[in-house]
Amino acid sequence: QKEVEQDPGPLSVPEGAIVSLNCTYSNSAFQYFMWYRQYSRKGPELLMYTYSSGNKEDGRFTAQVDKSSKYISLFIRDSQPSDSATYLCAMATGGGNKLTFGTGTQLKVEL
Amino acid sequence: GAVVSQHPSWVICKSGTSVKIECRSLDFQATTMFWYRQFPKQSLMLMATSNEGSKATYEQGVEKDKFLINHASLTLSTLTVTSAHPEDSSFYICSARKDASGSGELFFGEGSRLTVL
Repeated sequence: QKEVEQDPGPLSVPEGAIVSLNCTYSNSAFQYFMWYRQYSRKGPELLMYTYSSGNKEDGRFTAQVDKSSKYISLFIRDSQPSDSATYLCAMATGGGNKLTFGTGTQLKVEL
Repeated sequence: GAVVSQHPSWVICKSGTSVKIECRSLDFQATTMFWYRQFPKQSLMLMATSNEGSKATYEQGVEKDKFLINHASLTLSTLTVTSAHPEDSSFYICSARKDASGSGELFFGEGSRLTVL
């Protein structure tokens, strides 16, 4: 079993839809949770950074962490074609240095 | 956000040659940088942790004699793929943490795509 599980997709939605992306994990020591967006042939770009459980909102993006269920989510409101990319979840333990990534979910927002 | 720059972004080389990839933190000092490898449609896999002024720490299964890492200054780490072979063709990405405490955000470079013929 992988430490971090993420559905690779692809996920296709119409413009304006609410997108829900999720990851599950098995390591209860993870305390730092991140979402990255990666466009084709580019490096990952940090979208959201959360410590421990709870919600965090930034513009159209909301990150949720449920440590009791070992489940994290990223919601994108009013999705745009420019949101089309691969979204990677990543996690780290209290030491913070080593990130464990999910495989990424490929998202396509269509006009 | 902080800026991490990689060079070159794209390189093609012949089998048996060595290739050097640079990773620079442009607007902050990074005592620790990380090197990842990403194969098509797969996640990022950590190869090694690069520590300024000391030896890199390699992940299990990564050959340290093949992937030479040097972190000569607080803003520069280099990865040299020695005697490259076609199976080394991949997308290599570096990252750096802005916060020295180890809990801060991690910023990634744009990646370097290596193709070995």
